Amino acid sequence: EAQLVQSGGGLVRPGESLRLSCSASGFNFGSYKMSWVRQAPGKGLEWVSSITESAVSTFYADSVKGRFTISRDNSKIALFLQMNSLTADDTAVYFCARRSYSRGCIFFDYWGQGALVVVSS
Amino acid sequence: DIQMTQSPSSLSASVGDIITISCRASRSISDSLNWYQQKQGNPPKLLIYAASTLQSGVPSRFSGSASGTDFTLTINSLQPEDFATYYCEQTFRTPPTFGVGTKVEI
Repeated sequence: EAQLVQSGGGLVRPGESLRLSCSASGFNFGSYKMSWVRQAPGKGLEWVSSITESAVSTFYADSVKGRFTISRDNSKIALFLQMNSLTADDTAVYFCARRSYSRGCIFFDYWGQGALVVVSS
Repeated sequence: DIQMTQSPSSLSASVGDIITISCRASRSISDSLNWYQQKQGNPPKLLIYAASTLQSGVPSRFSGSASGTDFTLTINSLQPEDFATYYCEQTFRTPPTFGVGTKVEI
């Protein structure tokens, strides 16, 4: 069965950087779009970024555009999120998620366990 | 961005109840509507995609329906393990957007 295992996360000061990783197994990683979704403490879900199968195209929420970079290494079966210029508003649990498509609809069918990022001085 | 208006934000129910959760899209999204269940400290779990298709392994007491821009998640015969927060999500247009969530409590 598909599995996504995340690493990274932690406490950083405003303006600092952090890199999240997501390791995949149990499916053909290079055949799926992948995404990051975050959840601020006690809040709802917010899509952050997506990347196509071969990393040709990337997409970002306006709230992170220009500061975050999504990437992937299909040979290492891994997804990354480089986060720069972090602010308190970026404090959240970050989930990696697999994007699938069926019946004309896109959905997130597998999720990582989440990584907590706290931005505080 | 497409806004998803989800209601109620919370509801109290009992084991065996039938409950419904609604989501309304700010514009037409065809059937590009998904429902997720999230329990405290865990990632979301896909329940239904394409408005009414049950994800593999999800109990049949969960169902979804659509009428125009209005979407409904129904849980028949609520079970103890169903107490959680539920989110709708549209994927018709980027960015995908989520409803605010509905917390189902005892």
